[in-house]
Amino acid sequence: DGGITQSPKYLFRKEGQNVTLSCEQNLNHDAMYWYRQDPGQGLRLIYYSQIVNDFQKGDIAEGYSVSREKKESFPLTVTSAQKNPTAFYLCASSLWGRNTEAFFGQGTRLTVV
Amino acid sequence: AQTVTQSQPEMSVQEAETVTLSCTYDTSESDYYLFWYKQPPSRQMILVIRQEAYKQQNATENRFSVNFQKAAKSFSLKISDSQLGDAAMYFCAYGDYGGATNKLIFGTGTLLAVQP
Repeated sequence: DGGITQSPKYLFRKEGQNVTLSCEQNLNHDAMYWYRQDPGQGLRLIYYSQIVNDFQKGDIAEGYSVSREKKESFPLTVTSAQKNPTAFYLCASSLWGRNTEAFFGQGTRLTVV
Repeated sequence: AQTVTQSQPEMSVQEAETVTLSCTYDTSESDYYLFWYKQPPSRQMILVIRQEAYKQQNATENRFSVNFQKAAKSFSLKISDSQLGDAAMYFCAYGDYGGATNKLIFGTGTLLAVQP
């Protein structure tokens, strides 16, 4: 079945550590996105990528990094520079251009301990 | 910059009744899409309905319909014959496909409760 897979579902990080969230899609979508969800703030865009080896910062990119070495994969690294990383992270993908409905993964809940 | 506003943090509806969720947006683009997504307790985002800005006809998907007012930049969602399974967080989203970007901008969401 085609879809987007995020892993792990739950992740715990110690202060000062970097952690990487995985996002893989087999929908042959060009574009991939990372959103952060906090209570009362909706979904905020962290990074997005239109094609392989290219990505752009979203609205809240500070403290995060991404790579897009393969069309299917768009991992997100939460660095120690992110001051408040505890949140729910959603990955999405879509075709590029018109009629681009976004498909979402099941999310990763990151907690700093 | 484009913005999406959902002014109703929480709504409640009786089972089998109708409820309308509000959404307004701001953009200078003429070519864009609008979406309503549903996020149940599982937190999986599910597309409910989509509206192309160039279409005057309001989109409909079974019990879900929208009232798209382009001049007023308003995009409300009507849920008819509400069911217990409709209880979820609902997000309005704007898709900017007329410019160089291709990203969805979300509102803050409306939490819908369905009373039996």
